[in-house]
Amino acid sequence: AQSVTQLDSQVPVFEEAPVELRCNYSSSVSVYLFWYVQYPNQGLQLLLKYLSGSTLVESINGFEAEFNKSQTSFHLRKPSVHISDTAEYFCAVGGPSYDKVIFGPGTSLSVIP
Amino acid sequence: DTAVSQTPKYLVTQMGNDKSIKCEQNLGHDTMYWYKQDSKKFLKIMFSYNNKELIINETVPNRFSPKSPDKAHLNLHINSLELGDSAVYFCASSEMTQNYGYTFGSGTRLTVV
Repeated sequence: AQSVTQLDSQVPVFEEAPVELRCNYSSSVSVYLFWYVQYPNQGLQLLLKYLSGSTLVESINGFEAEFNKSQTSFHLRKPSVHISDTAEYFCAVGGPSYDKVIFGPGTSLSVIP
Repeated sequence: DTAVSQTPKYLVTQMGNDKSIKCEQNLGHDTMYWYKQDSKKFLKIMFSYNNKELIINETVPNRFSPKSPDKAHLNLHINSLELGDSAVYFCASSEMTQNYGYTFGSGTRLTVV
């Protein structure tokens, strides 16, 4: 069965500093990997995804994530964060053999001015 | 145009009451979902419908009953509400293959008093 671990429940970081949000998954078959962002009092929005091909995927607002099969990880990074990046970030795993996507417990990113 | 819309956005009700939450998507997606987000932000799938057919029914009390009159609508009816039902309920939709990720509604915050 699939599962997702996000080791850090809260990550405070100063504005313009780099950040990495960690995600590890467990699955015995090929996977799709997703990062979603939830701004306060809103629904989740898809930030980026890995389906196949290049292991490095990027979003339009400067985030990137790298699929590492040997370490079963899909960490999210941004070289310089903004106040507007303050939100809850969810890693999720699905796949062609699964009928649903499983979400991790989330990481709360707080950007400090 | 809102892609996935839920009503109501807020719902405050007394224990023992029956209530419904409605969801509609205009994306032409085949699959719709109900997720429950608890106070710790943890997301758990409840139900999934594909083209009006129930395909996922997780371990959810029988008091919760989904209904899909057509593939663009998925409603959630809850009988005999309990304090523990207080949460944010999200509707989502996707194309069948999950490849494009989920599109979420903005959520319904249910408070049972």
